[in-house]
Order: sequence, then structure tokens, then C-alpha cells
Amino acid sequence: QLVLTQSPSASASLGASVKLTCTLSSEYSRYAIAWHQQQPEKGPRYLMKVDSDGSHSKGDGIPDRFSGSSSGAERYLTISSLQSEDEADYYCHTWAPWGFGGGTKLTVL
Amino acid sequence: QVQLVESGGGVVQPGRSLRLSCAASGFTFSSHAMYWVRQAPGKGLEWVAVISYEGGNKYYADSVKGRFAISRDNSKKTLYLQMNSLRAEDTAVYYCARDESGGSYSAIDSWGQGTLVAVSS
Repeated sequence: QLVLTQSPSASASLGASVKLTCTLSSEYSRYAIAWHQQQPEKGPRYLMKVDSDGSHSKGDGIPDRFSGSSSGAERYLTISSLQSEDEADYYCHTWAPWGFGGGTKLTVL
Repeated sequence: QVQLVESGGGVVQPGRSLRLSCAASGFTFSSHAMYWVRQAPGKGLEWVAVISYEGGNKYYADSVKGRFAISRDNSKKTLYLQMNSLRAEDTAVYYCARDESGGSYSAIDSWGQGTLVAVSS
């Protein structure tokens, strides 16, 4: 059964870096995922796709501060030089089969 | 640029039906698989259904299987979600989304602004 696991919350200081994790269940450990950002009271926005080899491709207009990587069944989203507008919920999802992680609420201190 | 505009949401009684629409523009609609994704109040994103680019293949979340039907009209560049036997737990903002791939399935790369469905007596 496909399960994508995310920590419910994370926090980091303004100007610092943070690494968010999405863990795929073992049967799907080689699947690619995508990261989406949802700012308060807004719809989701696509950030990037991250493959099992760590390569990633970003959506249009996504700043260089956002990057992706992988290790085993874990897929990461790293945000550097944190800004106040990065405070948001971050979701991972995969496809065929389809599912979303529970989301991580990022607080910028 | 890619635009997805949902419509058809509203307040509906339990057990009744509702049809959502999503008008697409700014890309070749007939070349992309399309999704419905929902978000209950205060909750995370939940995949609802996906339809292949030509409409021949459809997949549903267990929570809506047998009650919801996804369809598309490529000549009208419109995606639909027919929702029957609605329940209180179907209350959510429903988002239309595009698959980035022009053939097989891949990541969602564009989202609509969402339409609210509230199931209440």
C-alpha cells in the first residue's frame, strides 16, 4: 500500500535553511514525487519533481532557493535563505498509484 | 499561460448530486491527463480522481469510487466531476489540476483556484 509520510510541522529562522522530508513506503521506494506549496488561504502551487536519483526539475518561476534531493525512500525539499512568504504548508505526492502526504506546516521564526 | 477555472460548487443536501466543471486554457488540453483533488476544511490534500488525456482510462480514490465520475470533453477543453450520493465528509474545496505529461502519468504541475462544495442539511 502506498503511503507518503511527512512530519506535521517544521520551523526555522528567517534567513536560515530547512530540509523537509517525504518518505515513501518501501514498495514504492524508487518512485518520483512532486512537491507543492500552499500558502495560507491560497490554492496549491507546484514547486518541483524529484526523482529517485535525486535529480529535480522545478516549475516556472520557482526561485533557486528551492531545491530537491533523494536518499533511498526519502525525498527532500530544501529551502535556503528562508523568507517570511515561505511560511506555508508543503505537500508531496506521487502518481500511479496516486496519493498525497499529510503535509508539513513550515513556520518561519 | 495555463489557466484552470473550476465552477459548479455550492451547498447541497446529503444524498443529492452536483457536477463540477473545470475550463482549461493556455495549453493543449487534449494532450494532458487531468485530476480532481480535494481539501476538507483544515485538512490536507486528497487525490480524488484522474482521467487520461483521451478519456479512456479513469481511476478513483476508494472514498469516492462508485459515487463520483470523472469525464472530459476535449472539444470544449473542459473537465467534469459528477458527484452523486453526496455525504457530509465530501465537504471540501475541489481543485482541478493538470498532469505535466503529454502521454503517461506524471506530476501535477498546474492547479486551479478551487470551488467549495458543502454538503449539509
